[in-house]
Amino acid sequence: EAGVAQSPRYKIIEKRQSVAFWCNPISGHATLYWYQQILGQGPKLLIQFQNNGVVDDSQLPKDRFSAERLKGVDSTLKIQPAKLEDSAVYLCASSQGDLSDEQFFGPGTRLTVL
Amino acid sequence: AQSVTQPDIHITVSEGASLELRCNYSYGATPYLFWYVQSPGQGLQLLLKYFSGDTLVQGIKGFEAEFKRSQSSFNLRKPSVHWSDAAEYFCAVGAPYGRGSYIPTFGRGTSLIVHP
Repeated sequence: EAGVAQSPRYKIIEKRQSVAFWCNPISGHATLYWYQQILGQGPKLLIQFQNNGVVDDSQLPKDRFSAERLKGVDSTLKIQPAKLEDSAVYLCASSQGDLSDEQFFGPGTRLTVL
Repeated sequence: AQSVTQPDIHITVSEGASLELRCNYSYGATPYLFWYVQSPGQGLQLLLKYFSGDTLVQGIKGFEAEFKRSQSSFNLRKPSVHWSDAAEYFCAVGAPYGRGSYIPTFGRGTSLIVHP
């Protein structure tokens, strides 16, 4: 079974520029998560989708971050404009959505904002 | 809102020694509890999880964890550590929400260093 795919793997931009990340979850997984992991910290949930509906986005900085999951499959996370403190690894994960199901994580996108 | 505390930033053990990584959580009810491992250059992998039932949970790679409600803890243990266990370990809590799912919160992680 193919895992969670993310692209790009690395991205370097200057502050105030825009950037977008893409995630393709495991086929059939209803729940999709985006996390931000700053160096030396644990993953912080940014947004959680169940199919194409948002379950939780309480920690998403909505003035600059946006995410969508069209058709309940793949998803994009966008930052516009980027700040220095957005430098982090952005992780995508998916799960079947059942109570006892585990999350499967993608390799992440490492973003550096200069 | 739920929270997770991993009080140890770094833990150093000798290969073959036993290991215990601490995790304390804050949540108004019984949460779902998880331990994940993140090896250098690799993604997060689930070691074990607790949803209900037996409070001693067995996981992969010889790890186990015990849920202690009275202490709000979910410590991870392994009787004999291997050099390949060196990695970052994350405890996570899941706050249940309707229709049988949960919203996860991760701790800041504990870095395990294994000496030969």
